[in-house]
Amino acid sequence: DTAVSQTPKYLVTQMGNDKSIKCEQNLGHDTMYWYKQDSKKFLKIMFSYNNKELIINETVPNRFSPKSPDKAHLNLHINSLELGDSAVYFCASSLWGTSQETQYFGPGTRLLVL
Amino acid sequence: QKEVEQNSGPLSVPEGAIASLNCTYSDRGSQSFFWYRQYSGKSPELIMFIYSNGDKEDGRFTAQLNKASQYVSLLIRDSQPSDSATYLCAVITDRGSTLGRLYFGRGTQLTVWP
Repeated sequence: DTAVSQTPKYLVTQMGNDKSIKCEQNLGHDTMYWYKQDSKKFLKIMFSYNNKELIINETVPNRFSPKSPDKAHLNLHINSLELGDSAVYFCASSLWGTSQETQYFGPGTRLLVL
Repeated sequence: QKEVEQNSGPLSVPEGAIASLNCTYSDRGSQSFFWYRQYSGKSPELIMFIYSNGDKEDGRFTAQLNKASQYVSLLIRDSQPSDSATYLCAVITDRGSTLGRLYFGRGTQLTVWP
């Protein structure tokens, strides 16, 4: 009964490659997010989708492209991977318009670019 | 830039003591405040949220909010070694302009020693 799931859990790849990370939630939420947590553990939002519509697009290189095929899924495609992309990427979801809008996080995808 | 500041720690307390974690935020339009706990190698998990001035208690945890001072804290009573983790303060700013963007502090590392 996983709430927010991500695949893969670990991703090791070479510089210059293209890779995708997938996220799915079964909480019935309408808003999904991608966060990046760097080596110093700082968690920063990258993108957010509400009902498949992009609503938050932080200053992120355009090598990163999110895609939401439906409310329950949010994928992240990364082109031309660079060493600095190594981090843990967390997907999260929430229900927009609720009083607290609590975000629930997936287990994370640990990306290592060599 | 919306800023959320936390003492990075580490904060070390003996088992059974009260651990006090503090957080300040820069945006007066902030509306909702969250404390997440993150164990090493795991994803953030919500401990508490608060959006009204005053105290909110949940078991051994008490969140305190003072909007005038732009200050939110988390008290952990009867600290246990299992409470050892990084605690992340997070703030949702005015939804009108930033659509519920969640800003995180850099976290305070707590160690509870037996």
